[in-house]
Amino acid sequence: GEDVEQSLFLSVREGDSSVINCTYTDSSSTYLYWYKQEPGAGLQLLTYIFSNMDMKQDQRLTVLLNKKDKHLSLRIADTQTGDSAIYFCAEIGDSSYKLIFGSGTRLLVRP
Amino acid sequence: EADIYQTPRYLVIGTGKKITLECSQTMGHDKMYWYQQDPGMELHLIHYSYGVNSTEKGDLSSESTVSRIRTEHFPLTLESARPSHTSQYLCASSYGPSYEQYFGPGTRLTVT
Repeated sequence: GEDVEQSLFLSVREGDSSVINCTYTDSSSTYLYWYKQEPGAGLQLLTYIFSNMDMKQDQRLTVLLNKKDKHLSLRIADTQTGDSAIYFCAEIGDSSYKLIFGSGTRLLVRP
Repeated sequence: EADIYQTPRYLVIGTGKKITLECSQTMGHDKMYWYQQDPGMELHLIHYSYGVNSTEKGDLSSESTVSRIRTEHFPLTLESARPSHTSQYLCASSYGPSYEQYFGPGTRLTVT
């Protein structure tokens, strides 16, 4: 079945770049997404990428997609303490409209 | 920017009570979803709807029920709350073509 995996934890120093990785199993996924969740809040959509793209950049965020390896990454440049949160990747499942979420990566930014 | 609302934000109730968690969106999205989120972060889809009068059970078995009488409203009801229902409940909505989901702020439910 469909599965999305992420590492659980990442710690970086303020000002460094953060790279959060994700692997997925459904090669037919048309869209892949990155969400951010701050404590006590819902999920905020950060960005998404269409499967025919290799890269998408939006200000400090860069998404890389390697379809051959079914690997998705989110790079945050110049990471700030306000970026500390849980980051979820997700793919669109084969049962249209349902997203399959990873278990989330907790990013801690140290001053 | 998405407009999706959940009430209440926090709720503490006793075992056996009936409760309804409210979710409304003003974007006219046809698809809506309910997720239960563990303290350990993982999200579990418990109900979804493709449109008015459409409701489906999600991947995680749940003792809750939902209804979709109006496009903008997707309430979730627990007939008899139990301590195992203690969790964060997140509502979301989406609209094609890229199917991204927009989330409400969540309801933190504690059953004592």
